[in-house]
Amino acid sequence: DAGVTQTPRHEVAEKGQTIILKCEPVSGHNDLFWYRQTKIQGLELLSYFRSKSLMEDGGAFKDRFKAEMLNSSFSTLKIQPTEPKDSAVYLCASSLGGNTGQLYFGEGSKLTVL
Amino acid sequence: GMPVEQNPPALSLYEGADSGLRCNFSTTMKSVQWFQQNHRGRLITLFYLAQGTKENGRLKSTFNSKERYSTLHIKDAQLEDSGTYFCAAEGGGGSGNKLIFGTGTLLSVKP
Repeated sequence: DAGVTQTPRHEVAEKGQTIILKCEPVSGHNDLFWYRQTKIQGLELLSYFRSKSLMEDGGAFKDRFKAEMLNSSFSTLKIQPTEPKDSAVYLCASSLGGNTGQLYFGEGSKLTVL
Repeated sequence: GMPVEQNPPALSLYEGADSGLRCNFSTTMKSVQWFQQNHRGRLITLFYLAQGTKENGRLKSTFNSKERYSTLHIKDAQLEDSGTYFCAAEGGGGSGNKLIFGTGTLLSVKP
């Protein structure tokens, strides 16, 4: 079975650009999560979907970050406009949901904003 | 304080040594997961525990919800065990399956 797939693996953007990161969860999983990882802040939850419905939009990340789940097998995270402080690794994870919260992570998309 | 406190922040071991990592929780958690982040950046699940103890090869993990802690024990450390280890706990009370991550332990295993 394929795991969680994220593209692109690396992205370099100029300040002010719009970037879109993509994620394909494990087939059959109902929950999808977007996390941001930096050395200083560690892992921070950006968005959480259950059965394609947005359950959590990450509070502080709302203004320039928008996650969407167009169908059960594809999600995007749009950052618009990008700022240098957005440089981080963006991780997507999925889980079956229900009573089990075991997460499966993708390899991440490393974003560098100049 | 932090809802999930992970220690130590860094750990250096020689091959063959045994050691342990610990996470303390400020509140009762429903479950805990332990991950290893490899050199490619992927977080690999080592354990998922709702209670008790699990073993897998040279690794053993315990979760005590009542006492609010979890441990990960590494036996006979190998070079390939190097990486960053995270615990992540799922709270109760309608938090869904959202996880709260510890700050990680950077493990270096030396020959």
